[in-house]
Amino acid sequence: GQNIDQPTEMTATEGAIVQINCTYQTSGFNGLFWYQQHAGEAPTFLSYNVLDGLEEKGRSSSFLSRSKGYSYLLLQELQMKDSASYLCAVKNSNYQLIWGAGTKLIIKP
Amino acid sequence: EAEVAQSPRYKITEKSQAVAFWCDPISGHATLYWYRQILGQGPELLVQFQDESVVDDSQLPKDRFSAERLKGVDSTLKIQPAELGDSAMYLCASSSGQGDQETQYFGPGTRLLVL
Repeated sequence: GQNIDQPTEMTATEGAIVQINCTYQTSGFNGLFWYQQHAGEAPTFLSYNVLDGLEEKGRSSSFLSRSKGYSYLLLQELQMKDSASYLCAVKNSNYQLIWGAGTKLIIKP
Repeated sequence: EAEVAQSPRYKITEKSQAVAFWCDPISGHATLYWYRQILGQGPELLVQFQDESVVDDSQLPKDRFSAERLKGVDSTLKIQPAELGDSAMYLCASSSGQGDQETQYFGPGTRLLVL
């Protein structure tokens, strides 16, 4: 079967750095997406990785290792507004998007 | 900035009633998706359209759910009759294509509560 694993919940302190991991097992690979979802709202696109390595965008970075079936999202200089769920999703060989259950990130002052 | 529009934002209905949700994708986006998301879980694809054609409806409970995109632009998702277990967020997303780099952009969602 196809599977995306992420931690259910993480806690971090305002101003700190947090790394949210995602491991995947899918039928083929055509890219990995990270989305942010605030409670009661729709997911919003954060990042896309298709080649191994690090993609940096402002306070966030996303890393991919295709050989390990692994990605992480790194959030720096955390702000209270970063409290949200972070969803990892992988496009398989049929271009279907397989979603993880999301990681709820709690930011404490 | 172009956005995906959905209505209504909230819907409360009684079981066995019919409900319908509407979605207008970003202008020019050929691919439209309907997802269902239960609290604490990731989105679950119900149906995917490419223009007016259904590409994937393998997870759509066809005994009670139907979806259409008659002119290849906006779309309607219907549930008849609604059941208690249908309470969830219904999300519509669109993308310009189906390729590997095509990002899906989501509307605000419709939160359904079935009593």
